[in-house]
Amino acid sequence: EAGVVQSPRYKIIEKKQPVAFWCNPISGHNTLYWYLQNLGQGPELLIRYENEEAVDDSQLPKDRFSAERLKGVDSTLKIQPAELGDSAVYLCASSPRLAGGPKTGELFFGEGSRLTVL
Amino acid sequence: QKEVEQNSGPLSVPEGAIASLNCTYSDRGSQSFFWYRQYSGKSPELIMFIYSNGDKEDGRFTAQLNKASQYVSLLIRDSQPSDSATYLCAVKTNTGFQKLVFGTGTRLLVSP
Repeated sequence: EAGVVQSPRYKIIEKKQPVAFWCNPISGHNTLYWYLQNLGQGPELLIRYENEEAVDDSQLPKDRFSAERLKGVDSTLKIQPAELGDSAVYLCASSPRLAGGPKTGELFFGEGSRLTVL
Repeated sequence: QKEVEQNSGPLSVPEGAIASLNCTYSDRGSQSFFWYRQYSGKSPELIMFIYSNGDKEDGRFTAQLNKASQYVSLLIRDSQPSDSATYLCAVKTNTGFQKLVFGTGTRLLVSP
């Protein structure tokens, strides 16, 4: 079974330029997450989707970040314009569901997209 | 206070020793707790989860949970150099939206 696929793996851009990241979750996984991971830190949630609906986007800087998950499958995360502080790894993860009991919650992560803003 | 706290390390242990990794959390209503391993330059992968007080063993790994003390730990017995990685504690919170909150991770170094 294919895992979570992300692209691009690496992206170098100049500040104020736009950038977009794409994620294809594991087939059948309703829940999709975008996390940001800075060097030496744990992943921080940006947004969570249940199917097409963004159910938690409280940590997404909405002035410059946007995300969409059309048809409840693939997702795109966009930054426009990028700032120096946006340099990080953007991780996409999926899971069958998060709610539903204490045993649920395993996330399957993609390889990540490493962004460098110059 | 951070929602999930871990010592960033590095924690250095010799090969064959027991490595003990600790994590505390602030949300008393948290339901379940996860340990992810992340090799350098790679994405996190789940190695253990626990949701009941006490110990849970899986091979060389033992997760321990004490909800009264809001404390969860991971023990790695017979540590191997291949265990060298960052170990992320994640807590499924019960406030507002259910979500997984990660700690900063503890870097483990196992020397041959």
